[in-house]
Amino acid sequence: SQKIEQNSEALNIQEGKTATLTCNYTNYSPAYLQWYRQDPGRGPVFLLLIRENEKEKRKERLKVTFDTTLKQSLFHITASQPADSATYLCALGGGYQKVTFGTGTKLQVIP
Amino acid sequence: DSGVTQTPKHLITATGQRVTLRCSPRSGDLSVYWYQQSLDQGLQFLIQYYNGEERAKGNILERFSAQQFPDLHSELNLSSLELGDSALYFCASSGLAGGGDTQYFGPGTRLTVL
Repeated sequence: SQKIEQNSEALNIQEGKTATLTCNYTNYSPAYLQWYRQDPGRGPVFLLLIRENEKEKRKERLKVTFDTTLKQSLFHITASQPADSATYLCALGGGYQKVTFGTGTKLQVIP
Repeated sequence: DSGVTQTPKHLITATGQRVTLRCSPRSGDLSVYWYQQSLDQGLQFLIQYYNGEERAKGNILERFSAQQFPDLHSELNLSSLELGDSALYFCASSGLAGGGDTQYFGPGTRLTVL
């Protein structure tokens, strides 16, 4: 069955450093991958979408890579700030398949 | 503000009861999705409607049902509630029927079953 793995352990990082979060998947050939941010008790907020034919996408301090051979996406936040502290979810989908979310990685940026 | 509204914000009820959660999608969005998120659990996809028709089904229990009305708002009905149904229930909307589309999430309804 389809499986999406995100590091369940929290990632603690010093302010100003680059945070890198990983999303691995198996038994899946997604046409696209999305990253969302979720704050406690609130709904996820869309950040970036990358398609299977794209290797990298950037938006301000965010960068996403998508390696369909490794079945992995990396999500980078450069010059991290305490306000970036949240849980980050990756989501995969394609065609008319339902979007499947990973369990998320909690990022804590320490001042 | 995502433009998706959900009511009520909080709901406290007893085991065996039935509740209805309501969602209004963003203006112009035809797809509505329902998710369940328990404590420390990921988002579990329940069901998707597109323009009034069921489009995709996830791990939705038989005790749960949903529908999307002609004005595109959606309701999720949960019956014979159990303690384990306590969770955050999110509704999301998007413009397309299928993939490659951003989902906009509502603020959620927190259900507590006592």
